Amino acid sequence: AQSVTQLDSQVPVFEEAPVELRCNYSSSVSVYLFWYVQYPNQGLQLLLKYLSGSTLVKGINGFEAEFNKSQTSFHLRKPSVHISDTAEYFCAVSERIDNQGGKLIFGQGTELSVKP
Amino acid sequence: DGGITQSPKYLFRKEGQNVTLSCEQNLNHDAMYWYRQDPGQGLRLIYYSQIVNDFQKGDIAEGYSVSREKKESFPLTVTSAQKNPTAFYLCASSNRGRPQHFGDGTRLSIL
Repeated sequence: AQSVTQLDSQVPVFEEAPVELRCNYSSSVSVYLFWYVQYPNQGLQLLLKYLSGSTLVKGINGFEAEFNKSQTSFHLRKPSVHISDTAEYFCAVSERIDNQGGKLIFGQGTELSVKP
Repeated sequence: DGGITQSPKYLFRKEGQNVTLSCEQNLNHDAMYWYRQDPGQGLRLIYYSQIVNDFQKGDIAEGYSVSREKKESFPLTVTSAQKNPTAFYLCASSNRGRPQHFGDGTRLSIL
């Protein structure tokens, strides 16, 4: 069975500081990896995805993530955050079955709070 | 613009009542999903459907039912058997091997 652990439930940070949101996963098969962002009372928006190829993935809004297979991690980073980055961030995995993804398993979410 | 439309945005349920949440997509996606979101628990899969007229239970299907009569539509019924229905419900769709796209959600509360 797969599982996803987001190691921090809340991350407070000052504006223009760097931030890292941590995500570890467990799976017995190869996976696809995703980060989604959720603003209050809205759905989820895809930030970035790792399907194959380069382990450093760049997404929208200046975010990037690095897939580390040996450590089963997919941490999300941004070198300088803005107030508008305040939101909840979800890490998710899906099994790579015959090179096609399936159901998503989500982490519990990390609330990023950017202070002026 | 293509997307996923969930309605209503807010819904109230009386004790013993069934309610149905609507999800419509015009992205021509084969697969559709329903998730339940509770504070601090992330998203949990209720039901999913990979093709028309077929669907499978997710991790927390008890007290819920779905249908998939059309490719574009995947309504979720919260039955009276679901004793703790208060939550934020999210619908998503995708094609195989592609990321899921999400609607803006329906917030269900108990009167």
